Amino acid sequence: DQQVKQNSPSLSVQEGRISILNCDYTNSMFDYFLWYKKYPAEGPTFLISISSIKDKNEDGRFTVFLNKSAKHLSLHIVPSQPGDSAVYFCAASAGANSGGSNYKLTFGKGTLLTVNP
Amino acid sequence: SQTIHQWPATLVQPVGSPLSLECTVEGTSNPNLYWYRQAAGRGLQLLFYSVGIGQISSEVPQNLSASRPQDRQFILSSKKLLLSDSGFYLCAWSMGIGNQPQHFGDGTRLSIL
Repeated sequence: DQQVKQNSPSLSVQEGRISILNCDYTNSMFDYFLWYKKYPAEGPTFLISISSIKDKNEDGRFTVFLNKSAKHLSLHIVPSQPGDSAVYFCAASAGANSGGSNYKLTFGKGTLLTVNP
Repeated sequence: SQTIHQWPATLVQPVGSPLSLECTVEGTSNPNLYWYRQAAGRGLQLLFYSVGIGQISSEVPQNLSASRPQDRQFILSSKKLLLSDSGFYLCAWSMGIGNQPQHFGDGTRLSIL
């Protein structure tokens, strides 16, 4: 059972435009969500996170939106740059307040973003 | 600042041989430590995590084991590798309290022949 789903395996956008990466989850106990970026042959790099008490978190060009009722989150990158081309992973955890363990991150399978010059 | 080191970067091993992958973290104390595996075409799967020296929790039954002999050292081992152990192995660390992101090393590409 895949609890975190990234239904788009790939996304292609033009430089300067907005990139929107989507993620759905099924476990209502998840209360902490993260986005990671991964280049080939490297480990994932943490980008941005959001707690379930918020619906938006912004850090520079990156904004994460959380819609708890729809069990959906998205990552917006604006403006997109060629250096943003990478695989983006969505991840979630059920924290101690939810009766879970915030040690375990459940990852989606990733979306390959290509930003064309 | 904190850094995480993982080695080797690539490893080719025959079936039935032993395995030892090492991970060390610098710049922090008492981190949570994790081992993940990414099989081809799949997401990252948590294998082990540790909240302190000598404390290991296993997430999935498998042919692998983990140990934490020192506060900032995490080792992934196997006595006899299987073909199915091939994959990309990642070590990660996080602060021990509350909702904290995990930070990953650059991984080890393990190929079993």
